[in-house]
Amino acid sequence: AQKVTQAQTEISVVEKEDVTLDCVYETRDTTYYLFWYKQPPSGELVFLIRRNSFDEQNEISGRYSWNFQKSTSSFNFTITASQVVDSAVYFCALSDLNQGGKLIFGQGTELSVKP
Amino acid sequence: GAVVSQHPSRVICKSGTSVKIECRSLDFQATTMFWYRQFPKKSLMLMATSNEGSKATYEQGVEKDKFLINHASLTLSTLTVTSAHPEDSSFYICSASRGSSGANVLTFGAGSRLTVL
Repeated sequence: AQKVTQAQTEISVVEKEDVTLDCVYETRDTTYYLFWYKQPPSGELVFLIRRNSFDEQNEISGRYSWNFQKSTSSFNFTITASQVVDSAVYFCALSDLNQGGKLIFGQGTELSVKP
Repeated sequence: GAVVSQHPSRVICKSGTSVKIECRSLDFQATTMFWYRQFPKKSLMLMATSNEGSKATYEQGVEKDKFLINHASLTLSTLTVTSAHPEDSSFYICSASRGSSGANVLTFGAGSRLTVL
């Protein structure tokens, strides 16, 4: 069965600190996709990144970076030099190739960045 | 880019009434749409998958007679909460995909907050 676990329910940091959001997943499929979404207080989900199971290269996009390790079934997300605007709930999600495209979400991590 | 419009954004209704929420893909054809429900400070729970022209596939534990889903065209899916009760109050979010592959990036609507009095 598919499962996504985000063990950190809430994280609070001070602006300019680096913060890492953890994500651990479970799946029996060999081909799958991992996603991160941001949900600001407005409620709309904002797509951040998609990685497929065959691409373990780390990715950096501005202050955001992602570390995908199949050996530990983890797909962690790091925000460098956090800003107040980064405050939101962040969801990690999993989609298997043949599951019709549906996303299974983790519990979410609420990040609070204080000035 | 892909845009999904969800309407209404907020709705308040009396217990026993039915409420319809619309989800439209504005600039692409969505062969598959998904409906999620989110409780306060909780994750998104998949309710059902709807494919254009066919019956929706409901997740285990979701009452299909309570939550009617219709996907009559490639750009519109509707969720009707029938005979709503206070426990149906929640944040409902739709998402749309161009296909049914897990590789597709879903585009989400802005959500609809339902309050049943």
